[in-house]
Order: sequence, then structure tokens, then C-alpha cells
Amino acid sequence: GQNIDQPTEMTATEGAIVQINCTYQTSGFNGLFWYQQHAGEAPTFLSYNVLDGLEEKGRFSSFLSRSKGYSYLLLKELQMKDSASYLCAAMDSNYQLIWGAGTKLIIKP
Amino acid sequence: GAVVSQHPSRVICKSGTSVKIECRSLDFQATTMFWYRQFPKKSLMLMATSNEGSKATYEQGVEKDKFLINHASLTLSTLTVTSAHPEDSSFYICSANSGGRDTGELFFGEGSRLTVL
Repeated sequence: GQNIDQPTEMTATEGAIVQINCTYQTSGFNGLFWYQQHAGEAPTFLSYNVLDGLEEKGRFSSFLSRSKGYSYLLLKELQMKDSASYLCAAMDSNYQLIWGAGTKLIIKP
Repeated sequence: GAVVSQHPSRVICKSGTSVKIECRSLDFQATTMFWYRQFPKKSLMLMATSNEGSKATYEQGVEKDKFLINHASLTLSTLTVTSAHPEDSSFYICSANSGGRDTGELFFGEGSRLTVL
């Protein structure tokens, strides 16, 4: 079956770095997405990886290893506003997104 | 970037009534839109894929007669929750893909919080 695993909750300190991991198993693969979702709001797109390697976009970076079925989202210089849920989603061979349950990130001063 | 607008953002209705939620792509044409439902502290659950000019494709376990989807134009899809009951209370979110399907980036509407009394 198809499955996405990511930690339920993580805590980090303002100004620090945090890495949110995601492993996936899908029927075929057409890319890995990370979305940020603040409580009560719709998700917003953060990143898309389809090739192995690291994609950097400002304070956020996303990494993909297709052979390992693994991705991580790296957040640097954490700010209080980064407190949110981070959703990992893999696109299968039918271009359907398979969603993880999300990782709730708590930032402490 | 592409913008998807969803309306209403909040709606409260009585049990047994029907509620319509609109999803519009404001600056691009969306042949396909997606409707999700999200329970508190849970991830998105795809309900159906809305296809312009044809019938929606529903996910397993989603009642098509309960959740009516219409995609009459390239910029508008509607979800109607018919004969709503308290268990239908949830956060409903639509999304659309602005590019070809292999780009995959989805743009989400603001979401609609439905409360059925």
C-alpha cells in the first residue's frame, strides 16, 4: 500500500535549526512536496523535489533521496511564526498526492 | 503566484439544510480542482477530483449524493453538502493545479469551516 510517515510533533528553539523527516512508499513516484499549514488555515506550498538532492529556498531547504524513499525539510533561523504543521506529500504514478499526517512544529523562545 | 479563492470561509447551518461552497481560480484556468476534508489535528483527506465539464471522481467512502460537486467552468468548482448533519462539520478545502499535471504544485483556497447545528 501507499504510505507516508512523518513525526507527529517536534519542538525547537527560536533561532535554531530543525529537520523534519518524511519517508514514503508509493506506487510510482512523481515528486515530493512540503506544505506549511497554520492552525485554521489552508496549506501553503513550500517545496517540490523530484530529483535527488537538496533544494534551498531562503531559510527553508528540502532534500530528497529517491532510492531511500526519504525526504526532509530543513528550517533554519527559526522564527516564532514558523510554528505550524508541516505536511509531506508524495505524488504517485497517477499524479495523485498521498499526504502524511503532518508534523506539528512548536517553536519556543 | 496563482490564487485560488474559496467562499464562504465560515458557515453555520441547521441540520437538514444544504450548504454550497465555491472554489474559484482567479488568475488561471483549472481543468481539475480537488476537494479535501480535514478533521482537527488530522491531515487532508481527498474527497473528490473535480473535472471541468464532466463528472467528479470520488474517493472510496465518499458519498457522491451527499457531497455534490459541479465544475461548470474552467475557473469555478462548487461543493454542495446536502442535508447536512452535525457529523459533516469539518474544514473543507479546495485546491487547483495551475500548471501541467507533472508540475504538481497545488494552490489552495482559504478553506471553509462548516458547522452544522
